[in-house]
Amino acid sequence: ETGVTQSPTHLIKTRGQQVTLRCSSQSGHNTVSWYQQALGQGPQFIFQYYREEENGRGNFPPRFSGLQFPNYSSELNVNALELDDSALYLCASSPAYGQGTYNEQFFGPGTRLTVL
Amino acid sequence: AQSVTQLGSHVSVSEGALVLLRCNYSSSVPPYLFWYVQYPNQGLQLLLKYTTGATLVKGINGFEAEFKKSETSFHLTKPSAHMSDAAEYFCVMANQGGKLIFGQGTELSVKP
Repeated sequence: ETGVTQSPTHLIKTRGQQVTLRCSSQSGHNTVSWYQQALGQGPQFIFQYYREEENGRGNFPPRFSGLQFPNYSSELNVNALELDDSALYLCASSPAYGQGTYNEQFFGPGTRLTVL
Repeated sequence: AQSVTQLGSHVSVSEGALVLLRCNYSSSVPPYLFWYVQYPNQGLQLLLKYTTGATLVKGINGFEAEFKKSETSFHLTKPSAHMSDAAEYFCVMANQGGKLIFGQGTELSVKP
């Protein structure tokens, strides 16, 4: 069984540019969540996708957007990059979404984004 | 609002000593609580979880945590530290929608 994979591993961009990060969920998982982990801090929830629909969003501006595809893989897009967007971006997949229940989230290794 | 607070951004212990990492939470509903570990340049790995039932939870690598509702705490312990335990540890809470709320993290150092 393949775990959660993310690409690319590292990325360097300049201010104002746009970036797309990719995540392949674990087999059988239909829910994907994205988190931003700034240096020395805990991950912050960006948004979650369930069956190709956004299912909740954290305190991030609209220039952070996402997609989930029919195979449940996902993309995180960030427009108009700012220096503070430099962080480790983590993707996590889980088997299902259910109100009042919790299904374990499995994390990928992350994409390290540096904005110069 | 739900929140998680980890006491101490850096804890240092000697090999063989007790490990105690402190976590307090705030939640108006019964929480789901977890401890995750992050090794350098790696993703997050689940150590243990509390959802319902027994308040003393055992996890991987000899770690355990106790849910204490009266103290709103979920401290992580290990009787004897090993060099390989050196890592960043996160106390995490899940809200009703399954979104994870992370503490700030505690870096554990283990001295020989």
